[in-house]
Amino acid sequence: NAGVTQTPKFQVLKTGQSMTLQCAQDMNHEYMSWYRQDPGMGLRLIHYSVGAGITDQGEVPNGYNVSRSTTEDFPLRLLSAAPSQTSVYFCASSYSTGPAAFFGQGTRLTVV
Amino acid sequence: AQSVTQPDIHITVSEGASLELRCNYSYGATPYLFWYVQSPGQGLQLLLKYFSGDTLVQGIKGFEAEFKRSQSSFNLRKPSVHWSDAAEYFCAVGAIDNNDMRFGAGTRLTVKP
Repeated sequence: NAGVTQTPKFQVLKTGQSMTLQCAQDMNHEYMSWYRQDPGMGLRLIHYSVGAGITDQGEVPNGYNVSRSTTEDFPLRLLSAAPSQTSVYFCASSYSTGPAAFFGQGTRLTVV
Repeated sequence: AQSVTQPDIHITVSEGASLELRCNYSYGATPYLFWYVQSPGQGLQLLLKYFSGDTLVQGIKGFEAEFKRSQSSFNLRKPSVHWSDAAEYFCAVGAIDNNDMRFGAGTRLTVKP
């Protein structure tokens, strides 16, 4: 099925470890973004990309890196995991800048 | 930067009753406004969006929302709620001059039989 695919669905990390959350879309969307969702805080934008080779920071970028080498993929890297990064992470994409029209199923990350 | 407030953390309505979820935004120019729904363990689904034009916007699943510039509001409505509407609802605001989107904290809807 077409859409936004995130892997893994669940992950437990130890403090200080690094990892990459994968996101892929097969709709040829230019705009992709990463959000984190925490209880009582809604979703907060981490990083976004308006096309291959172009990325920018959102509201809460610290501790995360992104790259966009292809239109389809937009991985999110945690450089040195901290307990404060325990959250549910969503990747989203859309045809153009602005609304995140299609969301992935999320990655639940726990940092211990 | 723009911001969104959803004043109600949790709302309970009876099945068949009408629903209104409140959303207030802060932004100096004309905003882009959105409502999303999230079922447990799922991603977000876009219900409707407002960019310009008619201030009453129709969405999927029988939802509508009205943009009121004078009140900085974008409330979501449904005339008759179904048990399957139980979920969490998020209002979001985007800006015409940047790519940032800000979400409200969400309103959890419980539907009583």
